[in-house]
Amino acid sequence: DAGITQSPRHKVTETGTPVTLRCHQTENHRYMYWYRQDPGHGLRLIHYSYGVKDTDKGEVSDGYSVSRSKTEDFLLTLESATSSQTSVYFCAISEATGEGSPLHFGNGTRLTVT
Amino acid sequence: AQSVTQLGSHVSVSEGALVLLRCNYSSSVPPYLFWYVQYPNQGLQLLLKYTSAATLVKGINGFEAEFKKSETSFHLTKPSAHMSDAAEYFCAVRPYNFNKFYFGSGTKLNVKP
Repeated sequence: DAGITQSPRHKVTETGTPVTLRCHQTENHRYMYWYRQDPGHGLRLIHYSYGVKDTDKGEVSDGYSVSRSKTEDFLLTLESATSSQTSVYFCAISEATGEGSPLHFGNGTRLTVT
Repeated sequence: AQSVTQLGSHVSVSEGALVLLRCNYSSSVPPYLFWYVQYPNQGLQLLLKYTSAATLVKGINGFEAEFKKSETSFHLTKPSAHMSDAAEYFCAVRPYNFNKFYFGSGTKLNVKP
């Protein structure tokens, strides 16, 4: 399995509080992603990174920010959590663009916003 | 943006029967194509991928998928279902020159004894 660690694995937080999820990889892959998984929606891209300090928005980026100060770490911050952000969050990594490199996933963080 | 359609959010088959999970994509240029499997409370695991070599791709656990450009499809099959195949399956696409991956909404496979 790809060396991807997500922390925490579970979190319960209150509406309006900031929350940061961490993704750590040991594969030295260039690309890192944050997805959310909700029933009936599959996986939807929140943000992704194509290098240190290089990030871009995905399809559901409102209310989320990211940072990547080191190759191995990609942080996802919910600036002010809302109940609609209750979800399972997955970090994924990919090696390169040109060779059809697949995504490799972490085990997810289950976030509940009360 | 790419779109990926998986027909059937739930599919039920008997053990030993053929598994067919459907995936269609929208793109004028064939992208890279992937199938992933997710077991309960786990992340997604790569089953197989199409990267413009052979149109019939073999993956892990006896699964295979066939790329059909004329139908913009990449359906997943397995000749004989096993109880351990019960999981959720996701089809994903990635454009050739762009590192964003787009996922279908998933198909839950139930295998009956």
